[in-house]
Amino acid sequence: GAVVSQHPSRVICKSGTSVKIECRSLDFQATTMFWYRQFPKQSLMLMATSNEGSKATYEQGVEKDKFLINHASLTLSTLTVTSAHPEDSSFYICSATTTGMVKRTEAFFGQGTRLTVV
Amino acid sequence: DAKTTQPPSMDCAEGRAANLPCNHSTISGNEYVYWYRQIHSQGPQYIIHGLKNNETNEMASLIITEDRKSSTLILPHATLRDTAVYYCISQGFGNEKLTFGTGTRLTIIP
Repeated sequence: GAVVSQHPSRVICKSGTSVKIECRSLDFQATTMFWYRQFPKQSLMLMATSNEGSKATYEQGVEKDKFLINHASLTLSTLTVTSAHPEDSSFYICSATTTGMVKRTEAFFGQGTRLTVV
Repeated sequence: DAKTTQPPSMDCAEGRAANLPCNHSTISGNEYVYWYRQIHSQGPQYIIHGLKNNETNEMASLIITEDRKSSTLILPHATLRDTAVYYCISQGFGNEKLTFGTGTRLTIIP
């Protein structure tokens, strides 16, 4: 099946610094990518939808200036957490889909990135 | 997309069939039922999906009631590696967003 690779898998950063997370579709072109956040013992919460070549669409309550999303190519989307604070510590997960599909199919998820802000 | 409800947790003995129920009583005609699972500290993994017919693949079977208001995911011979949180999601065709509920935490007992 299709593979989505997310990097890094774990990152620890100091409060006030920025962290970039990459999400790559390895064997297909991902017109749309999604970014989720998951706090301990909670479900995945959609943060934003990223379409190649256009601005991301953020869910209500997600600060677009804090969580910068870039989807410059059909195989790469990045999420940058700017001026990170301890409350941003979470598990961040990306997923990718393709458009133009005739047959309904599934979403492909990255392995997730565990961000710890100290 | 229709809201789904699942029991918060279930146990199943290793080697037995695990039957995970999902209620989606407000599902509309063009919405599919998807099942994903998430093993601890990993990204979700697709299991199976269906519209109205029962489906089977190498991982599981999906039984959808005739009125489509509920479904059951069946793992025929559960192993310890099947311990995970299982999410039932309804998704309309053309809508690529997945809305995750709280899921069912399935624990396989040796």
